[in-house]
Amino acid sequence: QVTLKESGPVLVKPTETLTLTCTVSGFSLSNARMGVSWIRQPPGKALEWLAHIFSNDEKSYSTSLKSRLTISKDTSKSQVVLTMTNMDPVDTATYYCTLGGYYWGQGTLVTVSS
Amino acid sequence: EIVLTQSPGTLSLSPGERATLSCRASQSVSSTYLAWYQQKPGQAPRLLIYGASTRATGIPDRFSGSGSGTDFTLTISRLEPEDFTVYYCQQYGRSPWTFGQGTKVEIK
Repeated sequence: QVTLKESGPVLVKPTETLTLTCTVSGFSLSNARMGVSWIRQPPGKALEWLAHIFSNDEKSYSTSLKSRLTISKDTSKSQVVLTMTNMDPVDTATYYCTLGGYYWGQGTLVTVSS
Repeated sequence: EIVLTQSPGTLSLSPGERATLSCRASQSVSSTYLAWYQQKPGQAPRLLIYGASTRATGIPDRFSGSGSGTDFTLTISRLEPEDFTVYYCQQYGRSPWTFGQGTKVEIK
């Protein structure tokens, strides 16, 4: 059974850096040709794709957020990490990780507030 | 960046009716890399269709996808009560990957 779980802070202050971890169980990231994406969804709004990392470590980022995002993976820990710098209240959203679009985490709500 | 525009924004239909959802791309998208998702309130999205027309595992055959180039369609042949929710298209063929803004299917 493949499961993904997002973890990280529920509350961050403006200007802080957010670090989110996606832990994948039941599937080896070294075999996951499709890779892992991070996607977010502000309350009541649409899905927004943020970043993707392939099994060969190739990375891709949202154009508008590229300067603030870093995605990385630790295959031995079966984890994919997303960092987003200079957080702002508009970044308040539920953040999801997904393996190939097939398997999704439950999402984690991150609120940006002082 | 490829912009995906979904229409209509909201579709008001009755159970048993046919739903036709549109996803139009600002540039040509390879059919191999066009997906449709269903999202219910409080839940993560669920993959319905990938490769423009291939149903994901466990997806009922009342859901079908079609299209090529810049115009893609998700069709729900006969709406069931559980189908009234929000649907998104996504292209993952050209970086950056992008989603449409969603279509809400509501009960008339």
